[in-house]
Amino acid sequence: EAGVVQSPRYKIIEKKQPVAFWCNPISGHNTLYWYRQNLGQGPELLIRYENEEAVDDSQLPKDRFSAERLKGVDSTLKIQPAELGDSAVYLCASSPTADTQYFGPGTRLTVL
Amino acid sequence: GNSVTQMEGPVTLSEEAFLTINCTYTATGYPSLFWYVQYPGEGLQLLLKATKADDKGSNKGFEATYRKETTSFHLEKGSVQVSDSAVYFCALSAYTGTASKLTFGTGTRLQVTL
Repeated sequence: EAGVVQSPRYKIIEKKQPVAFWCNPISGHNTLYWYRQNLGQGPELLIRYENEEAVDDSQLPKDRFSAERLKGVDSTLKIQPAELGDSAVYLCASSPTADTQYFGPGTRLTVL
Repeated sequence: GNSVTQMEGPVTLSEEAFLTINCTYTATGYPSLFWYVQYPGEGLQLLLKATKADDKGSNKGFEATYRKETTSFHLEKGSVQVSDSAVYFCALSAYTGTASKLTFGTGTRLQVTL
């Protein structure tokens, strides 16, 4: 069974530029999560989707971050404009039930 | 709110040594507890989990027991290998409606040398 797929794996941009990350969850997993992991820290939830509905976006900085999951399958996370402090690893996860989450390899973002 | 506290790393051990990584938690209700492992350049992989008090999760020689009385979920392995070198994250899952919300510790880096 294929795992959670994310692209790109690495992205380097200059500040004030836009950037987008893509995630394809494990087939059949209705719940999708986006996390941000700062260096030396654990992941922190940005947004959770149940199918195409964002049911928890309380930690998403809505002034510059946006996300969508239009057909309830793959998802895109966007930052516009990016700031230096956005440099981090952005992780996508999916789950089939109310419990265990499965993570993708992440996208490492560097903002110069 | 919910929180997870892990021992700070790095933890440096020789191959075949005994490993303990401490993890304690604060949570309302009855969370599930997890250990995830992150190898260099990779995402998080589920290592083991326990869903209720006194449950023992185990995988690849690693074990952890859900201790409600001490709010702990310490990770142990009897004999570590160089390939176990990674960052280990303790996490708890709070059930919110239809899905879980994971709260992670800050991670503990393990370095195993020959």
